[in-house]
Amino acid sequence: EDQVTQSPEALRLQEGESSSLNCSYTVSGLRGLFWYRQDPGKGPEFLFTLYSAGEEKEKERLKATLTKKESFLHITAPKPEDSATYLCAVRSQTGANNLFFGTGTRLTVIP
Amino acid sequence: ETGVTQTPRHLVMGMTNKKSLKCEQHLGHNAMYWYKQSAKKPLELMFVYNFKEQTENNSVPSRFSPECPNSSHLFLHLHTLQPEDSALYLCASSRALDATGGYTFGSGTRLTVV
Repeated sequence: EDQVTQSPEALRLQEGESSSLNCSYTVSGLRGLFWYRQDPGKGPEFLFTLYSAGEEKEKERLKATLTKKESFLHITAPKPEDSATYLCAVRSQTGANNLFFGTGTRLTVIP
Repeated sequence: ETGVTQTPRHLVMGMTNKKSLKCEQHLGHNAMYWYKQSAKKPLELMFVYNFKEQTENNSVPSRFSPECPNSSHLFLHLHTLQPEDSALYLCASSRALDATGGYTFGSGTRLTVV
């Protein structure tokens, strides 16, 4: 059965304090790992798709990496506007019509 | 504006009421989805439509009834709901079922069943 576990559940950072969010997954044939950002009262906003171990994607202060068992979302010198819940999702060979989501990491960046 | 519009944004309904949620996208996407998001739980897939045809029903109770009249519009008809159905209902769309760019989500309808 496909499983996605995100840690930590919540993270508080000082502005400028870099850190990483973790997404561990177990799937039957990975066909994509997705990162989303969700602000309160809004739907998730797509950030990255990663397909194979060793792949990396970057966008502003965010960098996503992928291994065979987990993905990291690295946040470099975060700003208060980076505060949000970050969701990880996977698509597997058996669940091709579905993105299987984790419960998210709620990030708060303090000025 | 995300490109996927959901109405209403908030809905309070009694257990005997009938209401409908609406989702609209003008992104030219061919696949549309309904997800349920409850506190402390992962997003849960409910239904998938591809070119107006339902391709997946994730064991959703019959009190939830989807309708997809065309590739741009998706409805979720609700009747005789239970308090545990209170949640954020999210609509999403994608170019194809296995689109590399992921899904575009609407802002959701916050449903409260009293």
